[in-house]
Amino acid sequence: AQKVTQAQTEISVVEKEDVTLDCVYETRDTTYYLFWYKQPPSGELVFLIRRNSFDEQNEISGRYSWNFQKSTSSFNFTITASQVVDSAVYFCVPKTGANSKLTFGKGITLSVRP
Amino acid sequence: DSGVTQTPKHLITATGQRVTLRCSPRSGDLSVYWYQQSLDQGLQFLIQYYNGEERAKGNILERFSAQQFPDLHSELNLSSLELGDSALYFCASSVAGPNTEAFFGQGTRLTVV
Repeated sequence: AQKVTQAQTEISVVEKEDVTLDCVYETRDTTYYLFWYKQPPSGELVFLIRRNSFDEQNEISGRYSWNFQKSTSSFNFTITASQVVDSAVYFCVPKTGANSKLTFGKGITLSVRP
Repeated sequence: DSGVTQTPKHLITATGQRVTLRCSPRSGDLSVYWYQQSLDQGLQFLIQYYNGEERAKGNILERFSAQQFPDLHSELNLSSLELGDSALYFCASSVAGPNTEAFFGQGTRLTVV
């Protein structure tokens, strides 16, 4: 069985604060893939990043950075100097198996206040 | 712009009616997924097609059906609509392989009155 835990349900920060969204993934599978998606208030689902279980390289893209640690089963997402436009629901989504579906949890609702 | 096109963007219809939602995947993507998002259920996977064949089925009601055509576009048919079917319906597409991300369309907001 596999399990994704996004323990934080709602986070509220003030603009320019850094914020980290936590994701813990538990599985017995040795090969799996983790994705982060964002859903802003406008409703669209936006792909942010994919990480393979055998690739522990951290990644930085502008104000966004991701820290994947297989040893702790964590794939955390940090927004540096948050902006109001970062307000959205963020989903950490696992995928295993050929052509398998993405299974979304409830995500983390991030509110960035001006 | 994800490259996935869904039509219509909004749909209002009465209970008991039937509607068809359409999805055009990104060029080259063989997999199409349908999801339903409602306030109480969250994002629920409905069904996946791969190159015209049904590949996986989720929480799709018997009143709902889908298909993927030879040109790879897909349609989701919802019949005998109930108030509870009001939701945002997303289509997503991806290339073959488990290590690929899915790109989502903007969704069709269905309101059943």
